[in-house]
Amino acid sequence: DTAVSQTPKYLVTQMGNDKSIKCEQNLGHDTMYWYKQDSKKFLKIMFSYNNKELIINETVPNRFSPKSPDKAHLNLHINSLELGDSAVYFCASSQVTTTDTQYFGPGTRLTVL
Amino acid sequence: ILNVEQSPQSLHVQEGDSTNFTCSFPSSNFYALHWYRWETAKSPEALFVMTLNGDEKKKGRISATLNTKEGYSYLYIKGSQPEDSATYLCAQRHSGGSNYKLTFGKGTLLTVNP
Repeated sequence: DTAVSQTPKYLVTQMGNDKSIKCEQNLGHDTMYWYKQDSKKFLKIMFSYNNKELIINETVPNRFSPKSPDKAHLNLHINSLELGDSAVYFCASSQVTTTDTQYFGPGTRLTVL
Repeated sequence: ILNVEQSPQSLHVQEGDSTNFTCSFPSSNFYALHWYRWETAKSPEALFVMTLNGDEKKKGRISATLNTKEGYSYLYIKGSQPEDSATYLCAQRHSGGSNYKLTFGKGTLLTVNP
């Protein structure tokens, strides 16, 4: 069974559209994350939720809005997509303990035309 | 050091060579140091997490050490194989208010030539 899954895997859309990426984890973890892999392949944290509560909100345009309906899901909604939003977005989850190892989803490659 | 920095940025070795690379991080408010292995077109996979100064971890031919006082960690690969080719990421977790956050370095891209 897939531990952290994301849908869709690929997303191609036009500038100005609104789109969502979904993430689900079946590891029973209490914390979930969204990362953006930029053009230089650098992983940068965007958001984190712990038990459905937003705990990390980095400097991200407010066109990006995470939503966590329950501990196992963290979705990312993006309004008014721009060319610069094209990237690979990774979801991750962890159980916040001493080790806090994060388990990553397969990534969603978003292309904005 | 303000950020997590990794060196070298990329590395080419021959099959059978042993190699190592470095992760440097701020030593203040240290909580944990993670190493991840990231193969092309896949997602990062956890290798090690270390929390105590002097920690050493080993998994097969790969091992890591940690020096929290001077703010560095080394990753060693003994007898590199082509399947070891990947980007190796380190990430630091701080203590205090931001301790849910992992700050990643930019990675070391290792290519092992057969």
